[in-house]
Amino acid sequence: NAGVTQTPKFRVLKTGQSMTLLCAQDMNHEYMYWYRQDPGMGLRLIHYSVGEGTTAKGEVPDGYNVSRLKKQNFLLGLESAAPSQTSVYFCASSYTRRAGGKSPLHFGNGTRLTVT
Amino acid sequence: QKEVEQDPGPLSVPEGAIVSLNCTYSNSAFQYFMWYRQYSRKGPELLMYTYSSGNKEDGRFTAQVDKSSKYISLFIRDSQPSDSATYICAMSALGNFNKIYFGSGTKLNVKP
Repeated sequence: NAGVTQTPKFRVLKTGQSMTLLCAQDMNHEYMYWYRQDPGMGLRLIHYSVGEGTTAKGEVPDGYNVSRLKKQNFLLGLESAAPSQTSVYFCASSYTRRAGGKSPLHFGNGTRLTVT
Repeated sequence: QKEVEQDPGPLSVPEGAIVSLNCTYSNSAFQYFMWYRQYSRKGPELLMYTYSSGNKEDGRFTAQVDKSSKYISLFIRDSQPSDSATYICAMSALGNFNKIYFGSGTKLNVKP
């Protein structure tokens, strides 16, 4: 039981390049989320999905796109990377929409992205 | 003003000390209060959660919520070097579960 797996673990991009971050979960969770974590800022929600084929914007969606073609996968795309997107990206999943204590967020180990 | 404020630390204590970690918040609608622990180069994992006010104890960990003061705390008794991590408070309002507000985290170092 791997939980939430993120690939790649590290990536360096040049400004303007594109990339896709992959998240896979094996817990049969309906809800999946992409967060970014920056020093002093806390985790901020980029996009989330409440089920296969659905996506919704979070707090900081600009410059990112997502897709949830399969229940177990949630992809985060950067079409034209900018230095402001240098961050650590975390994918998370939860069993229900009660993403509080009874249905906690299960996080992957992150993708460390640097945009030069 | 941020919704959730948390001192970033770092907080350095000797092994065996009692640790107190705290967060303040501004939104009186928050009902769910959580503490996540994040080891270096790992994702956060849920440590404890409470609903509404009161205390909750789990082994060496105690979570407290004081809604009148908009203040939550996490106490660690008999701290161990393995407790060295970043502790992140988080909270959400009833009926808006997809929106969780996270603190910026407090880095704790427990020295042997």
